[in-house]
Amino acid sequence: GAGVSQSPRYKVAKRGQDVALRCDPISGHVSLFWYQQALGQGPEFLTYFQNEAQLDKSGLPSDRFFAERPEGSVSTLKIQRTQQEDSAVYLCASSRPQTGQEQYFGPGTRLTVT
Amino acid sequence: DAKTTQPPSMDCAEGRAANLPCNHSTISGNEYVYWYRQIHSQGPQYIIHGLKNNETNEMASLIITEDRKSSTLILPHATLRDTAVYYCIVRVVGTYKYIFGTGTRLKVLA
Repeated sequence: GAGVSQSPRYKVAKRGQDVALRCDPISGHVSLFWYQQALGQGPEFLTYFQNEAQLDKSGLPSDRFFAERPEGSVSTLKIQRTQQEDSAVYLCASSRPQTGQEQYFGPGTRLTVT
Repeated sequence: DAKTTQPPSMDCAEGRAANLPCNHSTISGNEYVYWYRQIHSQGPQYIIHGLKNNETNEMASLIITEDRKSSTLILPHATLRDTAVYYCIVRVVGTYKYIFGTGTRLKVLA
């Protein structure tokens, strides 16, 4: 079956521009995570959705970052007024909601802010 | 806060067992330890997870110490395709926040 897909795979934005990154989770997966991975670092948690509810957004680095999942399926991570430090790979993962379930990751979107 | 500590890099000869350690001394009693790996330019891939008992699947074995403060991932017969960054992960109690840390870069040598 289809895995987690993300689009675009690569995005170049000029400093100050807004960007929107899309995640299509595995069908039927209730849980959805967003992570940010800087070069040479491990992924860092940004936010978590259970269906359409955003239950944890403690990892969002600033109010310029906003995520939504309005129908409990596709999710969008939006970054407003991008800055150079936002350059990273943004990873999306989905899973079944039970504790101890594995997360299935997408290939990520590489964002470069110039 | 939850934290994991892993050696930054390790080498292993092809065909030999790779033993990757992780320290997670702040883990709480009900939280799992997860292991993922990431091959260059791909998203992380699940390997195995455990709570208290040792676990084994078709990819690897996981040995968790009795006090649960550390664990070891064992790849019994490493191949060149196992070259990747391996992450030991725990969740922060009361949240959905999973902590990856910086991982161990495993290089399998021919």
